[in-house]
Amino acid sequence: AQTVTQSQPEMSVQEAETVTLSCTYDTSESDYYLFWYKQPPSRQMILVIRQEAYKQQNATENRFSVNFQKAAKSFSLKISDSQLGDAAMYFCAYRSSGGADGLTFGKGTHLIIQP
Amino acid sequence: NAGVTQTPKFRILKIGQSMTLQCTQDMNHNYMYWYRQDPGMGLKLIYYSVGAGITDKGEVPNGYNVSRSTTEDFPLRLELAAPSQTSVYFCASSYGGVADEQFFGPGTRLTVL
Repeated sequence: AQTVTQSQPEMSVQEAETVTLSCTYDTSESDYYLFWYKQPPSRQMILVIRQEAYKQQNATENRFSVNFQKAAKSFSLKISDSQLGDAAMYFCAYRSSGGADGLTFGKGTHLIIQP
Repeated sequence: NAGVTQTPKFRILKIGQSMTLQCTQDMNHNYMYWYRQDPGMGLKLIYYSVGAGITDKGEVPNGYNVSRSTTEDFPLRLELAAPSQTSVYFCASSYGGVADEQFFGPGTRLTVL
């Protein structure tokens, strides 16, 4: 079974600064997908960014980018120019390409934005 | 589009009671999922469905049942509620493939006393 580990229970960053959230995963598969989801206090889960394991290029979505290191099984999220609205829980998630089942989530990182 | 809707938003059950959590999506998605989120934890998959009439167990299915008679609806049934089922329950849907974004409902906070 796959596991996802987020080693930072909480991170704090000054507004407009850059922060990186860490995620590692364990799998024996070669093809899979990785996701970062944001959960603000409203509880709504929102997709931030996704990465396909067979793609070398790191995914980017506006101020959000990832550093995908397949050999190291590492998938970190970088948030540039942090904004107050970025404050939330961030979950890293894994999905096998071979099945129809759901996502395997990490425990999350609570991101605090200091004004 | 309303997206994924869940009812109720909150519920308190007594031990041994049963209830059904409702989930409906209006995006014509084939895949639907139920997750639970315990305090300080990520979401864990309870059940999923790849289409009407087809359901399968996830990581934590014990104490739950599901059905999928239509594309739109995917209710989750709790039989004989236990305190261990106190959690926030999320329904999600996606169009199909493994790379597809899963769209989540707002969640149901369930407390079993």
